[in-house]
Amino acid sequence: SQQGEEDPQALSIQEGENATMNCSYKTSINNLQWYRQNSGRGLVHLILIRSNEREKHSGRLRVTLDTSKKSSSLLITASRAADTASYFCATVAIHTGANSKLTFGKGITLSVRP
Amino acid sequence: DGGITQSPKYLFRKEGQNVTLSCEQNLNHDAMYWYRQDPGQGLRLIYYSQIVNDFQKGDIAEGYSVSREKKESFPLTVTSAQKNPTAFYLCASSIIGGTYEQYFGPGTRLTVT
Repeated sequence: SQQGEEDPQALSIQEGENATMNCSYKTSINNLQWYRQNSGRGLVHLILIRSNEREKHSGRLRVTLDTSKKSSSLLITASRAADTASYFCATVAIHTGANSKLTFGKGITLSVRP
Repeated sequence: DGGITQSPKYLFRKEGQNVTLSCEQNLNHDAMYWYRQDPGQGLRLIYYSQIVNDFQKGDIAEGYSVSREKKESFPLTVTSAQKNPTAFYLCASSIIGGTYEQYFGPGTRLTVT
């Protein structure tokens, strides 16, 4: 079952603008991760935020987590045409122990116009 | 795509034939996963394995089978019982415990006609 739901489903922006993508989830989590997928390729891990963290940065990426609202956002600053890809949030549910695994959302398609 | 290889990249089969997709990793990860991705959709878990000779069904296991005879290898067989096998298949691996961050292979696009 898919727990994460990203919003919007598609986003088109101009190069240099910031891109903000949102993810909502349903159950309590251990951590939330964002992945990127270029067309026809595998997914690549971008950034992870744990349930006891509120914000993390990695280069041009900033992720926030609000566990009270069960939501996360991914901000890409100063976007580039090369950022064009699909972005997925994925969660690890809490208290699943040895059977822990990621549950992915349906993804957001980001297009950055040169 | 890290240390995970999937072959072939494109695969074509006739309806009614079983087909096996290869997945190999050299990351020394204990856990391996198979996902199916349909156009415009997210990833759906087919099977996963956390130890050699053991595996668990995911959300959409019907019509698929797997084996885990070696830590490095986790092949997926798409059987003739799978009603809509045409899809993009992704293999991933992770360590057990910690964050469960996954490393993905490049994927195999299967077309069944």
